[in-house]
Amino acid sequence: DTAVSQTPKYLVTQMGNDKSIKCEQNLGHDTMYWYKQDSKKFLKIMFSYNNKELIINETVPNRFSPKSPDKAHLNLHINSLELGDSAVYFCASSQRDSRVGAGTGELFFGEGSRLTVL
Amino acid sequence: RKEVEQDPGPFNVPEGATVAFNCTYSNSASQSFFWYRQDCRKEPKLLMSVYSSGNEDGRFTAQLNRASQYISLLIRDSKLSDSATYLCVVRSGGYQKVTFGTGTKLQVIP
Repeated sequence: DTAVSQTPKYLVTQMGNDKSIKCEQNLGHDTMYWYKQDSKKFLKIMFSYNNKELIINETVPNRFSPKSPDKAHLNLHINSLELGDSAVYFCASSQRDSRVGAGTGELFFGEGSRLTVL
Repeated sequence: RKEVEQDPGPFNVPEGATVAFNCTYSNSASQSFFWYRQDCRKEPKLLMSVYSSGNEDGRFTAQLNRASQYISLLIRDSKLSDSATYLCVVRSGGYQKVTFGTGTKLQVIP
């Protein structure tokens, strides 16, 4: 069973279109993330949700709108796609440790969704 | 200054060699540190956590120097299968933001 699954794996679309990427985790984790990995392979955090609540939003253009219907799902919708949006988008999840200062545990990543904007 | 910095490499080493990677971080309040491994066109996966006292897992040794704000990864007796990009990861902040370094590419040559 896949722990963190993303769909679609590949997405090729034209500039100006709107597209969505879906992510689901079956690990029972309470925290989910979206990361963007560009052509230079730099993995940059975009958003983080804890129990459906947005906790990190890293200066991402508001064309990107995450949605978490429940703690097992975190979807990413992108409006008005631009060439610079071409990248691999990784979803990840982790379990927050309730001990003070312990933070979250290991991040488990999905296989990535490769977006190409033409 | 980037939050987490690494030498991008590539490091090209022969099989059996020992290779070390360093990583520096800018936030002195960072709480947890990790090394992840990413194979070409795959997702990152946890290699090992880095503990204050240093820790070892087989051929891999991780060290943390809080005073100088850097962590290191040592790989002994390199194998061809060690070829990958090694990502330094730092967790910090009230909401436990997890930040990845740019990665160091390792190529082990027969």
